[in-house]
Amino acid sequence: KAGVTQTPRYLIKTRGQQVTLSCSPISGHRSVSWYQQTPGQGLQFLFEYFSETQRNKGNFPGRFSGRQFSNSRSEMNVSTLELGDSALYLCASRSQPDNEQFFGPGTRLTVL
Amino acid sequence: TQLLEQSPQFLSIQEGENLTVYCNSSSVFSSLQWYRQEPGEGPVLLVTVVTGGEVKKLKRLTFQFGDARKDSSLHITAAQPGDTGLYLCAGYTADRGSTLGRLYFGRGTQLTVWP
Repeated sequence: KAGVTQTPRYLIKTRGQQVTLSCSPISGHRSVSWYQQTPGQGLQFLFEYFSETQRNKGNFPGRFSGRQFSNSRSEMNVSTLELGDSALYLCASRSQPDNEQFFGPGTRLTVL
Repeated sequence: TQLLEQSPQFLSIQEGENLTVYCNSSSVFSSLQWYRQEPGEGPVLLVTVVTGGEVKKLKRLTFQFGDARKDSSLHITAAQPGDTGLYLCAGYTADRGSTLGRLYFGRGTQLTVWP
């Protein structure tokens, strides 16, 4: 079974731009979560989608948004990028009912 | 405020030494997971513990879930350079108002094992 895939792996943007990241979960997993990881803050939860609906949300500004499609693939969008948005963005899919979460390799976003 | 506190934050040891990493909370979790992450990569799931007092072994790694399901420990015997990485614990709990529950992560323990 293929693991969680994320595209692109690396991205460089400038302040004020917007970016869209993509995630394909493990086949059969309907839950997809997004995390931001930085050296200073560690792993911070952004949001979780299940069956195309946002079910959980972390404490991030409205510039961070996401969606999930009927095939469980998910996208995350960040608008009006700031320097502080530079981070490793991780996507994870969760199996039910054991709630084990499996991560993708991440997208390294650099904002200049 | 972190729901899960991990200690120590950093650990630097010589090959062959033993070590223990702790993951503590005042909250009860339905299950607890341990991950290892290498630089630039996503965390990799090592183990899930579910029952209070449960002990699981993965080669030289021993994982224990506290009796009250509020804490966990990871013990590595005879550490090797290949064990180097960021170790993360994550507890699963059902949130009020959420039909799905969610995982809460600790800040991690950065382990470096020198040859």
